[in-house]
This record gives sequence, C-alpha cells and structure tokens, in this order.
Amino acid sequence: GDSVTQTEGLVTLTKGLPVMLNCTYQTTYSPFLFWYVQHLNEAPKLLLKSSTDNKRTEHQGFYATLHKSSSSFHLQKSSVQLSDSALYFCALSLASSGSWQLIFGSGTQLTVMP
Amino acid sequence: ETAVFQTPNYHVTQVGNEVSFNCKQTLGHDTMYWYKQDSKKLLKIMFSYNNKQLIVNETVPRRFSPQSSDKAHLNLRIKSVEPEDSAVYLCASSPDRGDTQYFGPGTRLLVL
Repeated sequence: GDSVTQTEGLVTLTKGLPVMLNCTYQTTYSPFLFWYVQHLNEAPKLLLKSSTDNKRTEHQGFYATLHKSSSSFHLQKSSVQLSDSALYFCALSLASSGSWQLIFGSGTQLTVMP
Repeated sequence: ETAVFQTPNYHVTQVGNEVSFNCKQTLGHDTMYWYKQDSKKLLKIMFSYNNKQLIVNETVPRRFSPQSSDKAHLNLRIKSVEPEDSAVYLCASSPDRGDTQYFGPGTRLLVL
C-alpha cells in the first residue's frame, strides 16, 4: 500500500553543520510531497512542497528535490542553526479516481547543539 | 499569525464522558481536517471535509464524529472517551484536498 518512511527518529547535530533528513515513499499514483516543521508546543507549518520530478525546491535555507526514480524527497540544509531544532514531517498527498489520501511519515526530531 | 482557531486549548475528562472540540478557519478554504497527534508525536489524519463530502480514515473509532455548520467550521465530537483518546487534536484547513495544510494550535485532551 501507499506509505511514507522517515528512517531517522532523532538527529542531533552541532550548529553550522549540514543535515539531510531522509524521506522515501511508496505509491503507484502521482505523488505530491510535503515537508512540515513543528517547533515545540506549536502547530506544524509547511516548509517545502513539490510534485515536479528532479526540480529542487527551497525555503528558509532548506531544500529538497523530488526524485520519482528513487521515490525520495530528502530534506537538506547546508548549515543548521539552533532555531532549526524541531520535529520534521514528510507527507505524501495522493489523488486517484475521486478518492484522496494524505499520509504523514513518523517524523524526525532534529536537535541542534551550540 | 493564527488563522485556524481551536478551543479549548486543554481539556481533562473522565472515561465515558462526551467531549466536543471547536475549530474555525478564517482563510476561506474549502477543506478542513482533524488530526490526532499521540504521545510519540505521530500525526494521523482522522477526517477531511470538503463541500459536504466527508472522508473518514477507516481506522478511526466510531465514537469520533465531525460536525460542520459551514465551510469555516469543523468541530469534533467524541462520544464516550477512552484512555487511548488522550492526545493532541489538531485542526487544519487547505484550499482544496491535497493542498498545503494550515494547522491550528491544537487541543490537548487528557482522559483520566
């Protein structure tokens, strides 16, 4: 069935280092992928989204490229900041034959140390 | 700034009681949702409501039901709460199904 996998539950890094949070998905339909970020005691907010194959999308220093060949949409940043500490969710939106699904991954907690 | 409003922020109740949570969005969106976020922070969609069409996640127990008066409001009723219902319930809206979700601040439910 359709699914989203985030392999890292917890990532801890020192400020200034690069980060990549993994997201892979499984579906036979045309995918629309999202990254949401949730800071402590706040609501999730959209970070990035894409449905275009092999096109990089960027926002607030974060970037991701949807690769349909490998079913991946990894989130990257070249230099993390303390304020990036948060929970990151990858999500998959699917529409087919009048039906619709939205599937969230299990989330990756990013902690950035001074 | 907040455009999806939820009340109450926090609710404590006992097993078997009925509870109702409110959600209102001022974004003019056509679709609204309810999510459950458990203690492990897993986020699971429960319902989506668009133009009087309700889509229900089949894993949601029947004691949960959404209630809508218009496209700006989608409330959540839980009839006879269970301990496993303790969680944060997040309301969201989007221009259409599958679009970017805008989340409210959540209602934290504790069932004793």
